[in-house]
Amino acid sequence: AQTVTQSQPEMSVQEAETVTLSCTYDTSESDYYLFWYKQPPSRQMILVIRQEAYKQQNATENRFSVNFQKAAKSFSLKISDSQLGDAAMYFCAYSGGTYKYIFGTGTRLKVLA
Amino acid sequence: DSGVTQTPKHLITATGQRVTLRCSPRSGDLSVYWYQQSLDQGLQFLIQYYNGEERAKGNILERFSAQQFPDLHSELNLSSLELGDSALYFCASSATGPRYGYTFGSGTRLTVV
Repeated sequence: AQTVTQSQPEMSVQEAETVTLSCTYDTSESDYYLFWYKQPPSRQMILVIRQEAYKQQNATENRFSVNFQKAAKSFSLKISDSQLGDAAMYFCAYSGGTYKYIFGTGTRLKVLA
Repeated sequence: DSGVTQTPKHLITATGQRVTLRCSPRSGDLSVYWYQQSLDQGLQFLIQYYNGEERAKGNILERFSAQQFPDLHSELNLSSLELGDSALYFCASSATGPRYGYTFGSGTRLTVV
């Protein structure tokens, strides 16, 4: 069975600094997709970034980028130039051969002014 | 507005009661997914429907059931409610499966007293 692990329950970052959130996963599938979702205090789940496992190039969306290490089964999220609006729960998610996501337990990110 | 509509936004009910949560997917999306998020927890997959048919089942209790109607809206029925069922229930939709990212609704906050 596939698993997703987020080992950092909480992280803090100074405004304008860079922070990296960690995610590891376990799977025997060769074709899969990885995601980062943001859940602000409003509780709305917002897709931040998506990575296809067959692509070696790391995905980037503005200030958000990933470090995808397929062999190590690691998928970290880097947030550059952190802003107060980045404060939220961040969930890593895996999607493979089944028609569902498997979510990690989340990392709460605090942004300090 | 994500395009996925969930009603009601909040629901307070007593133990032993039955409630129905409703979800209208984003226009054109055939798949609907239901997730449960307990306080400060990750998201647990409950069930998926595709074009009216059940596609996948997760950790859904026997007291819970769901269906997707011909107009593609979906309902999640929760019966014999217990205090532990208090949670945020999310609906998400997708056009071609979770690999391209879900669109989440804003959730229904269920409180069982």
